[in-house]
This record gives sequence, C-alpha cells and structure tokens, in this order.
Amino acid sequence: RKEVEQDPGPFNVPEGATVAFNCTYSNSASQSFFWYRQDCRKEPKLLMSVYSSGNEDGRFTAQLNRASQYISLLIRDSKLSDSATYLCVVNTNAGKSTFGDGTTLTVKP
Amino acid sequence: DGGITQSPKYLFRKEGQNVTLSCEQNLNHDAMYWYRQDPGQGLRLIYYSQIVNDFQKGDIAEGYSFSREKKESFPLTVTSAQKNPTAFYLCASSIRLGGSYEQYFGPGTRLTVT
Repeated sequence: RKEVEQDPGPFNVPEGATVAFNCTYSNSASQSFFWYRQDCRKEPKLLMSVYSSGNEDGRFTAQLNRASQYISLLIRDSKLSDSATYLCVVNTNAGKSTFGDGTTLTVKP
Repeated sequence: DGGITQSPKYLFRKEGQNVTLSCEQNLNHDAMYWYRQDPGQGLRLIYYSQIVNDFQKGDIAEGYSFSREKKESFPLTVTSAQKNPTAFYLCASSIRLGGSYEQYFGPGTRLTVT
C-alpha cells in the first residue's frame, strides 16, 4: 500500500460544477498537509495548506480528518483554468515529504 | 526576484556518464529537496537536506549523489549506477513554519539518457 493515495481520476466536469478530491495517508505521525497544483510539464505550485479546522481560499476548501487519516479538496464553480493535476502532500515532523500520484481534473465548456 | 532556479531546462547524456543538475535558491530557506517524476506518476523523493551539510535519504536515493556546502545550493549528481535516469527532476526548498514545511519548486530539468 502506498503511503499517500489519491482518487485515481480522471475527473471530467462541466464549467460551474463542484468537484471533490480525497487523499488518504498511512503514517499516523504525519504533521502537515498540503494540496499542490501541477500543470502539464510544469513544476507543482502550492495551492493551499490543510489545517485541522479546515480552511477556505475563494472557491477552494480543504479539510483534514486526522482520525480517519484523510484530507480533501473541494472546488466550487469550476473554471476552465482549474484543469490541472492536483497533488496531495503529507509531511512528517522531520520534514520528509510524500506526494500522492495526483488526480487529473479537466473542466469542459 | 526571489526564487529557485534549475539549469539547464533540458539535458541529454549518453548512458554511462555522470551528470550534475543545478539547483539554487535565494529565498533564505533552510531545507532543500530533490524529486524525480516519471510520466503519469507523482513525485518521488530522492534526497533532502534540512540544513547545510545535513542529508537525509528519500525513497529512491540509490544511484544519486549530492552536496550541500552552501545554504543556497543543492546540486544533484545522477551517476551511471542509476538504472533508469531519464526523468523530470524537480528541486524544492522550504522554510519550517511551526512544524509545517511549505515547499516551493524550481522549474525542473528534463534529463534524457540514451
């Protein structure tokens, strides 16, 4: 089993749709959690950190459930420009990072 | 501008040759990381360094060597012992904020070995 597992996707949604991605992690000692966005053939870019209390940034909402060891990302009112691969990242307190394989989102007109 | 630079963007080598990938940051970050990404897959950690002269192996360290003599620089050498060196190599740096390591990536180097 992989340390970090994501929905395999791909997700194909129309503009304006709401889409949710889940990510599970196996290391209970994990301390910090992030979502990154990666466009084709580019480097990943930090989308948002994920906090226990949940956090929102515009159309994006991230949630963390430590008891069940999963994090989620919700995108509301999808835009064409949201099309990308979304990567879940889990860090231990020692700074070691583990990335999920990513979930590909395509938003269609 | 502050940021992370990697060079070159594309690199071609013959099998059996060692090759060194450059990574420089001027963000004053303590920690630096090297990842590789193969087509259709996520990032896999090769090595990371929390401070100068500190090194931690990642998940796929075999066939790679590195140095961290300066805070700003974390070059990676892909040696001839690496069996499948062709990949997209990404360098990142981070600052520790209350136990959280937000990483920022350079543009990457695409290495092709034939």
